[in-house]
Parts: sequence; structure tokens; C-alpha cells
Amino acid sequence: DVKVTQSSRYLVKRTGEKVFLECVQDMDHENMFWYRQDPGLGLRLIYFSYDVKMKEKGDIPEGYSVSREKKERFSLILESASTNQTSMYLCASSLSPGIEQYFGPGTRLTVT
Amino acid sequence: LAKTTQPISMDSYEGQEVNITCSHNNIATNDYITWYQQFPSQGPRFIIQGYKTKVTNEVASLFIPADRKSSTLSLPRVSLSDTAVYYCLVGVYSGGYQKVTFGTGTKLQVIP
Repeated sequence: DVKVTQSSRYLVKRTGEKVFLECVQDMDHENMFWYRQDPGLGLRLIYFSYDVKMKEKGDIPEGYSVSREKKERFSLILESASTNQTSMYLCASSLSPGIEQYFGPGTRLTVT
Repeated sequence: LAKTTQPISMDSYEGQEVNITCSHNNIATNDYITWYQQFPSQGPRFIIQGYKTKVTNEVASLFIPADRKSSTLSLPRVSLSDTAVYYCLVGVYSGGYQKVTFGTGTKLQVIP
């Protein structure tokens, strides 16, 4: 069965901290995505990666960076967390960006 | 990227057929239309995808008119467990890395 896992379901961090969110998929998918989801705004794409060490900015990349050193793992990094980055973060993977994406359970991040 | 517009919310009684329409006026020739379902505290889940006319699977049907400027997701005989947010998105079905964009979705409430 297809599986996307995220390192934490809930995370609380302080303003200014460096935050790492990890995502692992076991489907050998080429493409991986990071979204954030906020009430009234739907899902917004932060970054995606179409190959190892390759990345592409999404709609809201400011304040975030990503790392993909291995095909199965895609990390989202908040260099200096701020309160406006409090959100639900969702990771997904797919064989191709335009087709079915498989999502992880999400990480609810609170920055205080 | 083609922008999509959907109703913010809909209510339906159990056992009824529900039709959710999505508008995508600037859809490109090689864009596909995809629908996802999201339950609270979970990541979105793929429902159905189509290019033109009608597509049906065990969960839903997707109707796409000839001009492809809109699409309608049809859920037959909904139950309480179909209460969820439904997202329509348009994206390129290819091996490239063009991204897709989720909108704000339609919140479907099924009433007993």
C-alpha cells in the first residue's frame, strides 16, 4: 500500500528557531511536494521537487527552503520560524505533478 | 496555470445525488481535471481525473463539457461519511514538472 509519512503530527516551536519537517515516501515517486493549509485559503504549494537535488518554488516559498538528498525523502526547513508560519503542513508525492498525488497525514506546527 | 472556482459550501441530505461544479475558464489544451477529497485531520485523497466527456469510477463520476471550461463531480447517493472538502484542480498530465494548484475547495455537509 502507498505510504507517505511525516516526522511529526504536532510540533510546537519558538519564534526564531530553525525547524525541520521531514517527509518520506515508499513508492519510488519522482515528485514530492510541500503544502501549507490554512482556514479559508485551501492548500498552497510551498515547494516541490521533481528529482533528487532538484527543486522548484511553489506559490509561497518565502521563509522556507527544502532539501532532497535522497529520492524517498523531502525536507522542509523554516530557517527562522515566525508566528505567521503556524499552520498545517502537508507533504505529498506523485509519479508526475499532474496526476494523482499521495498525501501524508500532515504536521500541525505552532510557532509561539 | 488555470485557476479554478468552486462553491464554498454545499449541504445535501443522505441518499441524494450531489453535483459539485468547478469553473476553469482558462484551461489549457493539455490540462487534465482532477478532484480530491479531504476529511478533517487528514491529507487530501485522489477521487477522479478526466480530460473530456465523462469518467466514472467506483466512487464518483466526472462530467466535462466539450469546451472544458467547467467540470462537475457527481457523487451518487451520498452518506454521512461523504462529508468532506472537495477540491477541483487543473494541471498538466506529463512527465514535466509543471505544478498544479489547489483552490479553497467545496465543503460538503451531508445531513441525516
